[in-house]
Amino acid sequence: AQSVTQPDIHITVSEGASLELRCNYSYGATPYLFWYVQSPGQGLQLLLKYFSGDTLVQGIKGFEAEFKRSQSSFNLRKPSVHWSDAAEYFCAVGAPANFGNEKLTFGTGTRLTIIP
Amino acid sequence: NAGVTQTPKFRVLKTGQSMTLLCAQDMNHEYMYWYRQDPGMGLRLIHYSVGEGTTAKGEVPDGYNVSRLKKQNFLLGLESAAPSQTSVYFCASSGLRTNGKGGEQFFGPGTRLTVL
Repeated sequence: AQSVTQPDIHITVSEGASLELRCNYSYGATPYLFWYVQSPGQGLQLLLKYFSGDTLVQGIKGFEAEFKRSQSSFNLRKPSVHWSDAAEYFCAVGAPANFGNEKLTFGTGTRLTIIP
Repeated sequence: NAGVTQTPKFRVLKTGQSMTLLCAQDMNHEYMYWYRQDPGMGLRLIHYSVGEGTTAKGEVPDGYNVSRLKKQNFLLGLESAAPSQTSVYFCASSGLRTNGKGGEQFFGPGTRLTVL
């Protein structure tokens, strides 16, 4: 069975600083990987996804993530954070299911706080 | 285009009471999902549906039932609520992935349920 580890429960960064959120996964084959963001009181919004091909993927809101098979990682990065990036971030791995799409397994999330 | 909507937004139940959560999507998606989100545990899949009239168990199905009588609606029922079912419930939907495109899950805003 697949699993996802987000080792950082809470990260605080200054506005304008760079950001890297860590995600490690366990899965026996090439995974589908996702990053979602959840603002307070809201549902989850997809930031970016990796299925195959280029290991550096670009997402919305200036985020990017890099798939590193050798490290089983899919870390999320942003060169300069904005106060509006304060939210909870979830990494997820998708295992193909018999219905064609995939079932997602989520990490426990990383809460991002931005300080002025 | 409202996306995924959930009713109600908040609910307080007493132990043993029953209720139904409604999820509706207007994107003509084939697949729908119910998750629960608990602190420190990320999202866990309760049940899912691959089409009208079909449902399947997810990771944590006990104590819940679902129905998908119409393609656009997915109902989650609690027959006899327990305090352990206090959680935030999210519905999601996804369309078919074709040639590696699409298929990502879109989430509703959530329902906060408290069982006393």
